[in-house]
Amino acid sequence: QVHLVQSGTEVKRPGASVKLSCKASGYSLTRYYMHFVRQAPGQGLEWMGIINPSGGSTTYAKKFQGRVIMTRDTSTSTVYFELRNLRSEDTAVYYCAREATGLYFDYWGQGTLVTVSS
Amino acid sequence: EIVLTQSPGTLSLSPGERATLSCRASQSLSNTYLAWYQQTPGQAPRLLIYGASSRATGIPDRFSGSGSGTDFTLTISRLEPEDFAVYYCQHYGNSRTLTFGQGTKVEIK
Repeated sequence: QVHLVQSGTEVKRPGASVKLSCKASGYSLTRYYMHFVRQAPGQGLEWMGIINPSGGSTTYAKKFQGRVIMTRDTSTSTVYFELRNLRSEDTAVYYCAREATGLYFDYWGQGTLVTVSS
Repeated sequence: EIVLTQSPGTLSLSPGERATLSCRASQSLSNTYLAWYQQTPGQAPRLLIYGASSRATGIPDRFSGSGSGTDFTLTISRLEPEDFAVYYCQHYGNSRTLTFGQGTKVEIK
């Protein structure tokens, strides 16, 4: 049974960084790409980037290039997402989502709420 | 960059009615890369349809997807109480980049 379990709520000051985790179970992490998607309060879904857990290669949405880093630890089946230089508009729920072979998301984490406030 | 525009923004219907949701792309898409998700408050999105018209595992047959090129449709044949939610279309583009539509809220009339 596939599960993606994300780390807990974060509260950060503007300018700080946040690092979230997404632990996969029930399958081999390296067999599927992982994405991160965020959702600001009352807003829609926004794609942020993708990591290939097998080799570690990444692609980030243009909007976030230079501020986001995705990494993985295959020994713990965990993917990490770091966002730097946080702004109030980064307040959102951040989801990890597994990419199925058909280029869609078949499993999602429960989401991590990140609040950026002074 | 492909832009997905969903309409209407909000659909007010009664249980038992038919819902028709639209997703229009700014350029022609391959059907393979168009998916639909359902999201209820406080929950992660749930995959409904992939490849424009294939139902995901466990999705009731009252949900159907259709379309090609730039125009895609999600139809819910008879709304059940649990179907009142927000629906998003999603396209997977070149270089492994991805776009969501802005969502359509289906609310109880």
